[in-house]
Amino acid sequence: EDQVTQSPEALRLQEGESSSLNCSYTVSGLRGLFWYRQDPGKGPEFLFTLYSAGEEKEKERLKATLTKKESFLHITAPKPEDSATYLCAVHEAGGGNKLTFGTGTQLKVEL
Amino acid sequence: NAGVTQTPKFRVLKTGQSMTLLCAQDMNHEYMYWYRQDPGMGLRLIHYSVGEGTTAKGEVPDGYNVSRLKKQNFLLGLESAAPSQTSVYFCASSYNSGVGYTFGSGTRLTVV
Repeated sequence: EDQVTQSPEALRLQEGESSSLNCSYTVSGLRGLFWYRQDPGKGPEFLFTLYSAGEEKEKERLKATLTKKESFLHITAPKPEDSATYLCAVHEAGGGNKLTFGTGTQLKVEL
Repeated sequence: NAGVTQTPKFRVLKTGQSMTLLCAQDMNHEYMYWYRQDPGMGLRLIHYSVGEGTTAKGEVPDGYNVSRLKKQNFLLGLESAAPSQTSVYFCASSYNSGVGYTFGSGTRLTVV
């Protein structure tokens, strides 16, 4: 059973059209949930860490929220430069030092 | 401010050949990781290290070996490459467990 599931797999938005990406997780104890951005041909770039349900973090047009079962990455009035693959990952209690990653949502923002 | 540097960036190997991927970080991070990324599979942990001289197995360690002789370097070795090891390999580092990683730009490896 997948521990981290991201949806949708791909999303196409018009510039200015706000939307949300979903990351649902099934772990016994969450120590942290991470969001990364990955551009083609590059390594993932760290965006946010969320540690407890109800927590929110913001950066420019991005806002990440966390519940006990899922996290959302809200994108407000996106621009073409927001086009990328967005990855989420969880750090599980008792899972050692590793992060478990989802397969990502590929976002394309068009003019 | 190089961060995490991976060499080489691209490599083509024949089945059975060996090679070493080098990861170097200049942030004095204790933790270092090797992941592979395959379409539809997400990032999967191969091996990791929690400090100089230490290594541990991750989710998919078979066919790979690692060494961390110096704190700033983490080497990933393939002793006898197989086509199933065709992938993009990412190295990452962090100053502690459970904090955001800094990733390198990746090595694209093709085994023919």
